[in-house]
Amino acid sequence: KAGVTQTPRYLIKTRGQQVTLSCSPISGHRSVSWYQQTPGQGLQFLFEYFSETQRNKGNFPGRFSGRQFSNSRSEMNVSTLELGDSALYLCASSLERGGYTDTQYFGPGTRLTVL
Amino acid sequence: SQQGEEDPQALSIQEGENATMNCSYKTSINNLQWYRQNSGRGLVHLILIRSNEREKHSGRLRVTLDTSKKSSSLLITASRAADTASYFCAPRGGANNLFFGTGTRLTVIP
Repeated sequence: KAGVTQTPRYLIKTRGQQVTLSCSPISGHRSVSWYQQTPGQGLQFLFEYFSETQRNKGNFPGRFSGRQFSNSRSEMNVSTLELGDSALYLCASSLERGGYTDTQYFGPGTRLTVL
Repeated sequence: SQQGEEDPQALSIQEGENATMNCSYKTSINNLQWYRQNSGRGLVHLILIRSNEREKHSGRLRVTLDTSKKSSSLLITASRAADTASYFCAPRGGANNLFFGTGTRLTVIP
């Protein structure tokens, strides 16, 4: 099976712009989670989607949003970019067993730089 | 908080030596997972240990879990230069998302 893929791998934007990142989960996985990784804050949970619905949300401002499509692919959007949004954005997918997801499989990440 | 806290923050050893890193957490869990991250890349799942298990092995990896002390340890035996990476623990309770600590940065010197 192909792993989790994320596009683009690298992105450079300027403050005030918006950006959309894409994630394709492993075939058959219906849960997709997003994480932000920065040197200062470490790995932080953004949100989780399952069956096109946001199931969990981390402590991020409303500028961060996401969605999931019927084929389980997911996108996250960041509007009005700030310098502090520069980070590695990781997507992870997992199987759903009895209402509980297990091991998460991560993509390679999208490196976003905001200038 | 469900977040795991890894200790030490950094570890440097010679190739062939064993590396031990620890994880502590504060809430009750269903399982605890360990992940590895090579510099600036995605995380790779290493091993999952359930709350009713005390020890688990996978190749050169050995994980222990002590739920009474709310702690886990990851032992990498006969380390290799390719083991150089950051290692994260993720204790998992009822939520479906993972709360990572800041990780242990392992450097294996050839």
